[in-house]
Amino acid sequence: ILNVEQSPQSLHVQEGDSTNFTCSFPSSNFYALHWYRWETAKSPEALFVMTLNGDEKKKGRISATLNTKEGYSYLYIKGSQPEDSATYLCALGLSSGSARQLTFGSGTQLTVLP
Amino acid sequence: SAVISQKPSRDICQRGTSLTIQCQVDSQVTMMFWYRQQPGQSLTLIATANQGSEATYESGFVIDKFPISRPNLTFSTLTVSNMSPEDSSIYLCSVGIAGVADTQYFGPGTRLTVL
Repeated sequence: ILNVEQSPQSLHVQEGDSTNFTCSFPSSNFYALHWYRWETAKSPEALFVMTLNGDEKKKGRISATLNTKEGYSYLYIKGSQPEDSATYLCALGLSSGSARQLTFGSGTQLTVLP
Repeated sequence: SAVISQKPSRDICQRGTSLTIQCQVDSQVTMMFWYRQQPGQSLTLIATANQGSEATYESGFVIDKFPISRPNLTFSTLTVSNMSPEDSSIYLCSVGIAGVADTQYFGPGTRLTVL
């Protein structure tokens, strides 16, 4: 059983604060690491996919980094806004078996207080 | 990307009944998946819905409990059979689009409560 772990489980920050959270995963057979944002009553939204060690991706105020050798990825949010409130999920794709199957972490629930 | 809809968006059901969830995609896709998220848990893959053949179930999930249909490349159904309160979850369908690392796109989910 794959273990994809996310921390913290939940997080409250003030509007304007910057924050980050972690996704840890086993580094063997790594293929891709995905980040999703899931707002209540909406579809999980794909944020980033990273495949190479050292990858960094950015979309607006949100960025992510990847370290496949030590098995972790960080998601950063700069200047948090209330609309950033959501659950952030990471998911691991492996090179063995079907590369399209993803194993998800349990998510980090972010609340940005105005 | 793809636009994915699910019906119903939510339901409250009695123990012992069954519910069928529909997933519709706006384009033909090869890979369709069904997930569930029990309260406080990760998104867990139930099965891969295969067009024209039986679904491929993950460990811990069986066809008798979660029968799946995939009559064409744009539509699939998941039935939750003989429900118990432990089946209360959010059920999501997703599609895999060929491309960079095969990102999956998700429907909005069906929130099921079993009394």
